[in-house]
Amino acid sequence: GENVEQHPSTLSVQEGDSAVIKCTYSDSASNYFPWYKQELGKRPQLIIDIRSNVGEKKDQRIAVTLNKTAKHFSLHITETQPEDSAVYFCAAKNSGYALNFGKGTSLLVTP
Amino acid sequence: ETGVTQTPRHLVMGMTNKKSLKCEQHLGHNAMYWYKQSAKKPLELMFVYSLEERVENNSVPSRFSPECPNSSHLFLHLHTLQPEDSALYLCASSQGGNTGYEQYFGPGTRLTVT
Repeated sequence: GENVEQHPSTLSVQEGDSAVIKCTYSDSASNYFPWYKQELGKRPQLIIDIRSNVGEKKDQRIAVTLNKTAKHFSLHITETQPEDSAVYFCAAKNSGYALNFGKGTSLLVTP
Repeated sequence: ETGVTQTPRHLVMGMTNKKSLKCEQHLGHNAMYWYKQSAKKPLELMFVYSLEERVENNSVPSRFSPECPNSSHLFLHLHTLQPEDSALYLCASSQGGNTGYEQYFGPGTRLTVT
């Protein structure tokens, strides 16, 4: 089955700096790659997603890049703010039903 | 409340108890999911229902029994659980099951098995 690896497990940055989280996947048939943000005590919420026919997608301070050949995708957050502090999960999905999640990255943005 | 709701939000049960978790989605979606979230582990998919039919069961022990009476409601019946079953149980729904549609999560039920 699909195996999604996510790094780093924890990340601490200063406010205003950029943060990058990387994920790799094993199933070359995966074609949908969402990123979820989960604040402490709250539900995971989708922040951005990308499909395999696109190499990059941007939404304000958040961007995701996908390298299908290398089977990896990354989340980039620019101009980080304290409210960006949360756990971020990547996931990969093929034509089946399952979203296969990475273990999460705990991001801390310090003022 | 709109979106995906779950009850109860917290549950403490003994290993011999029987309880049920409830999920309701108000989004008009046709696929619903149960996930287990444990510390230091990825979100684990347990069950998927599409149009009220179970389409995926990820080797979940039989002490967890799902039920989907209609496309808006999903239950997880629990019996003779083990302490290692303590976790956050998240329900989610999406517009389509096997296509790349966003999954909307509920707030979860924090389960503690004593």
